[in-house]
Amino acid sequence: AQSVTQLGSHVSVSEGALVLLRCNYSSSVPPYLFWYVQYPNQGLQLLLKYTSAATLVKGINGFEAEFKKSETSFHLTKPSAHMSDAAEYFCVVSLMEYGNKLVFGAGTILRVKS
Amino acid sequence: DGGITQSPKYLFRKEGQNVTLSCEQNLNHDAMYWYRQDPGQGLRLIYYSQIVNDFQKGDIAEGYSVSREKKESFPLTVTSAQKNPTAFYLCASSGQGLPNYGYTFGSGTRLTVV
Repeated sequence: AQSVTQLGSHVSVSEGALVLLRCNYSSSVPPYLFWYVQYPNQGLQLLLKYTSAATLVKGINGFEAEFKKSETSFHLTKPSAHMSDAAEYFCVVSLMEYGNKLVFGAGTILRVKS
Repeated sequence: DGGITQSPKYLFRKEGQNVTLSCEQNLNHDAMYWYRQDPGQGLRLIYYSQIVNDFQKGDIAEGYSVSREKKESFPLTVTSAQKNPTAFYLCASSGQGLPNYGYTFGSGTRLTVV
């Protein structure tokens, strides 16, 4: 069963526009949730993480995500896109039933138009 | 600075050859992981090790082998039995029993069969 689903493999926004990358998870128990960013030919860098302390999580580079249990969602947002935000973004869950290993979504490639 | 080092960055393999990808970490992390990344498929777990001298198969272990003789090192061998080895390989590590901290990733090795 798919544990994490990212809606949209490609998202395109104009510079200065709102960025919204969607992520839904499937778990009976609230998991740990993460967003990672990957620039071309590089490893993954942690953007932010949800660990039940607060539902609105702020990360690096102006990104934030809100955990909504009723919607089983953890969407990533940024008020104003910058050219340097162009990258691939992964929504990731850590589930007890998987021995707390990370399970990755398929990724969303963000394109920022000038 | 602490981190994970993967080498080489680019690797070319002939048909029928075994090749070994290096992964070294100086974070004193107990757990280490190998992922394979293909376009549009996210990251898929190949092998993981939670302690020295022990490792487990992930979701796509066929055609791969690993060893964990030292805490700092977790090399991955891509054998000739792996029919489609061309991919981007990522190594990661995490502190044992700390699922809410996520993983630290290396910068990856791109393997191409020629």
